[in-house]
Amino acid sequence: NAGVTQTPKFRVLKTGQSMTLLCAQDMNHEYMYWYRQDPGMGLRLIHYSVGEGTTAKGEVPDGYNVSRLKKQNFLLGLESAAPSQTSVYFCASSYSVSGSTPYEQYFGPGTRLTVT
Amino acid sequence: GQSLEQPSEVTAVEGAIVQINCTYQTSGFYGLSWYQQHDGGAPTFLSYNALDGLEETGRFSSFLSRSDSYGYLLLQELQMKDSASYFCAVRDDYGQNFVFGPGTRLSVLP
Repeated sequence: NAGVTQTPKFRVLKTGQSMTLLCAQDMNHEYMYWYRQDPGMGLRLIHYSVGEGTTAKGEVPDGYNVSRLKKQNFLLGLESAAPSQTSVYFCASSYSVSGSTPYEQYFGPGTRLTVT
Repeated sequence: GQSLEQPSEVTAVEGAIVQINCTYQTSGFYGLSWYQQHDGGAPTFLSYNALDGLEETGRFSSFLSRSDSYGYLLLQELQMKDSASYFCAVRDDYGQNFVFGPGTRLSVLP
């Protein structure tokens, strides 16, 4: 199993450009998340999904959109990139056992995005 | 809302024991998790406490006191490879999202 994979690994954008980050997981997990991590800081949740076709806002959703058309994929879009969106983006997935709330997340390797 | 506090840095020598504390404020509580992240890497899950007490996994142990809104990660027999950042995390009021602490950077010296 590949676990959680992210595409691309690195990207440089100019202000105003758009892009989509792809996250894929092969563990059949219901829950998927997008985080951003800035230098020396913890992870901040951007958007998340509790199942195929559902998405919800996290702590810092402005400037981002997401879609989860297939259970295994979670896409993060930047419509008009800004320098403040320079960050490392992590995707994660998790599962619940017997309807309980999830407690363990599996993270992808991250995407390093620079907006100039 | 939720907030978590951790020391920003901890330094220890190889073979020693170190404790990383985490205090939290939440309106609902579904358990405390710990993650390790090496520089340039992704966070990896270490442990989880839903109930009070100590959970042991090899050299790592995690403790929770719900009455004190406090937990800690205990690392024994420190090795150089344990140099990393450690994050505590709680779930939100609905149990769906995770809120991470700011992280503690552990440096293990020879």
